[in-house]
Amino acid sequence: QSVLTQPPSVSGAPGQRVTISCTGSSSNIGADYDVHWYQQLPGTAPKLLIYGNSNRPSGVPDRFSGSKSGTSASLAITGLQAEDEADYYCQSYDSSLSGNWVFGGGTKLTVL
Amino acid sequence: EVQLLESGGGLVQPGGSLRLSCTASGFTFSDYAMSWVRQAPGKGLECVSNIHGGGGITSYADSVKGRFTISRDNSRNTLYLQMNSLRAEDTAVYFCAKNRGSTVTAWFFDYWGQGTLVTVSS
Repeated sequence: QSVLTQPPSVSGAPGQRVTISCTGSSSNIGADYDVHWYQQLPGTAPKLLIYGNSNRPSGVPDRFSGSKSGTSASLAITGLQAEDEADYYCQSYDSSLSGNWVFGGGTKLTVL
Repeated sequence: EVQLLESGGGLVQPGGSLRLSCTASGFTFSDYAMSWVRQAPGKGLECVSNIHGGGGITSYADSVKGRFTISRDNSRNTLYLQMNSLRAEDTAVYFCAKNRGSTVTAWFFDYWGQGTLVTVSS
């Protein structure tokens, strides 16, 4: 079981908006540590999507946005496109673990 | 352009050893911490180890502590992961990743290699 909890799957039609949640605890997200998001297309390495809760690296479309509140964070994708179909992972720091940099279990996004 | 290229993966028997390498280019290697992140088949991501830019500070996940050793050669722009006493549950694709972040607790991974597959099986 992952320290950060994500829904196993979400889906949406092209053009729609979807959100992916990432729920933590008082030793990670709730301790005000930053949350970061990665996109992993099938058969490829993860790619940084959002860093520092809500910042996009250059080249990432503004259809992708991140937010954080309390012990949870969310990734929102608007104007869903077929090429967004991928696995998405959240990541943060956890003060209670020796392997401190933790990931969520991942969410499979299906574009209908 | 930042590039990370892993090598050294393969098939190894339980109890065996393997050394992974990651050659970096496109940035000042010694300025950045680096990490190894693995992904078991069909599973999620796990950060197994990281090392500060100077090489003097390292950390490990409990699942590999005492068996894996991370190191780096800044003169060769290369990151290593020595894996001993390998177990079936270590079977995974191993990615090297470049760390970024203003503080250790804010670290994230801004560039990733393509990964190298390690299979532990008899």
